Amino acid sequence: EVQLVESGGGLVQPGRSLRLSCAASGFTFDDYAMHWVRQAPGKGLEWVSGISWNSGSIGYADSVKGRFTISRDNAKNSLYLQMNSLRAEDTALYYCAKDIVQGEWLVQNAFDIWGQGTMVTVSS
Amino acid sequence: SSELTQDPAVSVALGQTVRITCQGDSLRSYYASWYQQKPGQAPVLVIYGKNNRPSGIPDRFSGSSSGNTASLTITGAQAEDEADYYCNSRDSSGNHQVVFGGGTKLTVL
Repeated sequence: EVQLVESGGGLVQPGRSLRLSCAASGFTFDDYAMHWVRQAPGKGLEWVSGISWNSGSIGYADSVKGRFTISRDNAKNSLYLQMNSLRAEDTALYYCAKDIVQGEWLVQNAFDIWGQGTMVTVSS
Repeated sequence: SSELTQDPAVSVALGQTVRITCQGDSLRSYYASWYQQKPGQAPVLVIYGKNNRPSGIPDRFSGSSSGNTASLTITGAQAEDEADYYCNSRDSSGNHQVVFGGGTKLTVL
């Protein structure tokens, strides 16, 4: 079964850091680009970051650039999001999503597999 | 980054056809993808590319594009199609980013 399972969310104070993980199974992880997408409570989807199959190409939304870092470990079938200098507006459910295209991202911009998300709450 | 604009809410009578639109400059150059999200669930990809449906998506869902507007059409809407629908595409400003529309809540009457 193709599956993505996020972990690492929780309650964190403003200015602190948090690292999210996404464990992939059921497909050849190192063939595909991967993404993080978030959804604030009661709001729409917001793309956060994307990474190509070999980490050679990475992109970030303006809202997180300079604070968040995406990475992957293909040997562990895992995707990560290091979140620093967290703000209240970063409070959201964070989804890990698989790109439908093998290799690079920004080709099809279609995410065919999603995890169930991990909640991040930034509050004092 | 560029924006994608969707109507906040659309309604359709059971069994009728509904079109959900997504507007943005990036759509002149790139196809939109469409996602269905039901309450408490993760999004599900329903249309991508020119008009491609992932395995398991009913053929009543179709996509099209003209100029700066992409459309998702549901032909013969069912009660289970009531959900939020989001479009996304690549940003056209050269910033290597992906953008989502604000979402459309579809009500099936």
